[in-house]
Amino acid sequence: EVQLVQSGAEVKKPGESLKISCKASGYSFTNNWIGWVRQVPGKGLEWMGIVYPVDSDIIYSPSFQGQVTISVDKSISTAYLQWNSLRASDTARYYCATGVAVRIDYWGQGTLVNVSS
Amino acid sequence: SYVLTQPPSVSVAPGQTARITCGGNNIASESVQWYQQKPGQAPVLVVYDESDRPSGIPERFSGSNSGNTATLSISRVEAGDEADYYCQVWDFKSEHPVFGGGTTLTVL
Repeated sequence: EVQLVQSGAEVKKPGESLKISCKASGYSFTNNWIGWVRQVPGKGLEWMGIVYPVDSDIIYSPSFQGQVTISVDKSISTAYLQWNSLRASDTARYYCATGVAVRIDYWGQGTLVNVSS
Repeated sequence: SYVLTQPPSVSVAPGQTARITCGGNNIASESVQWYQQKPGQAPVLVVYDESDRPSGIPERFSGSNSGNTATLSISRVEAGDEADYYCQVWDFKSEHPVFGGGTTLTVL
């Protein structure tokens, strides 16, 4: 069974750093891409970026380039999403997702990030 | 970047057919996916490649795609179908998925 298990909810202050994780299991980690999706409360899905674990190639959506860092550790089948300096506008639920071709076959359960002073 | 346009909301009576549209430039040439998201849950793929269904998705869910509009149809709508629905294509120029704005389906 394919599973993407994300790290737990976070409460942070503006300016703090954060790294959330997404651990994959049930498939060959390097066969699929993994991406991150932001969903602001009450709003739609926004694609943030994608990583190909086979060669660690990373492509960011222009809206998120320079705002976040995506990384992957093949040895533990885990992808990461990182902020160096959070803002209140980063408050959202973040999903990791995986697929092989042009569709998203599986989603993580989501990680809620709340940034508030 | 490729833009997908969905109506914000669609309402339908139980037992009727709901149709949710997704507009995009020459979308008929694209592979279109549809995701269902219920409150507090992650999205779930319900239709891919316009009209195929993952295992476990009822036959009531179907898709079509022509010209500049793709359509998700849900026949014999049930209360449990109330959710947000998102269409998605892959933007090969920017190498990432693109989502429509989402449509809230209300069962009257």
